[in-house]
Amino acid sequence: TQLLEQSPQFLSIQEGENLTVYCNSSSVFSSLQWYRQEPGEGPVLLVTVVTGGEVKKLKRLTFQFGDARKDSSLHITAAQPGDTGLYLCEYQQNRDDKIIFGKGTRLHILP
Amino acid sequence: ETGVTQSPTHLIKTRGQQVTLRCSSQSGHNTVSWYQQALGQGPQFIFQYYREEENGRGNFPPRFSGLQFPNYSSELNVNALELDDSALYLCASSVQLDSGELFFGEGSRLTVL
Repeated sequence: TQLLEQSPQFLSIQEGENLTVYCNSSSVFSSLQWYRQEPGEGPVLLVTVVTGGEVKKLKRLTFQFGDARKDSSLHITAAQPGDTGLYLCEYQQNRDDKIIFGKGTRLHILP
Repeated sequence: ETGVTQSPTHLIKTRGQQVTLRCSSQSGHNTVSWYQQALGQGPQFIFQYYREEENGRGNFPPRFSGLQFPNYSSELNVNALELDDSALYLCASSVQLDSGELFFGEGSRLTVL
């Protein structure tokens, strides 16, 4: 089972700045999910990416799936304090495989 | 549409005791999975249930066991609790076995003293 590497581990930036976080593996993903988790709550699904090179936008969040489907990125434009949280990527290679999460990127937006 | 609900939200146990955590799946979802999340870490997969049978298991010892019921609700049981079992336990449901998209409850925070 391949691991998911997320970077950076921590990121603290000022409100209004842009940022990108990454999720990488040596495996090819059939699909990859991104979640945001706030303190004291369960993760909330943001997006699923399936096709190599795919770009999905969710308001100020842009998700990209690498052409080879081994990596993904999340770009946030004009970050706001409400974007603060733990951003997780996740995949399951086959239906009876383990479900794998990265360790997450902990993002803090300073007002 | 009812979301995923977990109970209890918080509980404290002592080493050696047993605990049962409960989860009600989102309406229409037939697959449930359980995770252990230590502070500052990503969720660690414990196991997944589909049609009342275990379908995939992470690196957890046999004292972690589960059940899925005909109404797709689920239980996680942990026997012989250890201090390191202190964590947030998350349940997630999905619409089918390989959908990849997980819908989480808010978790049960277990403290083992």
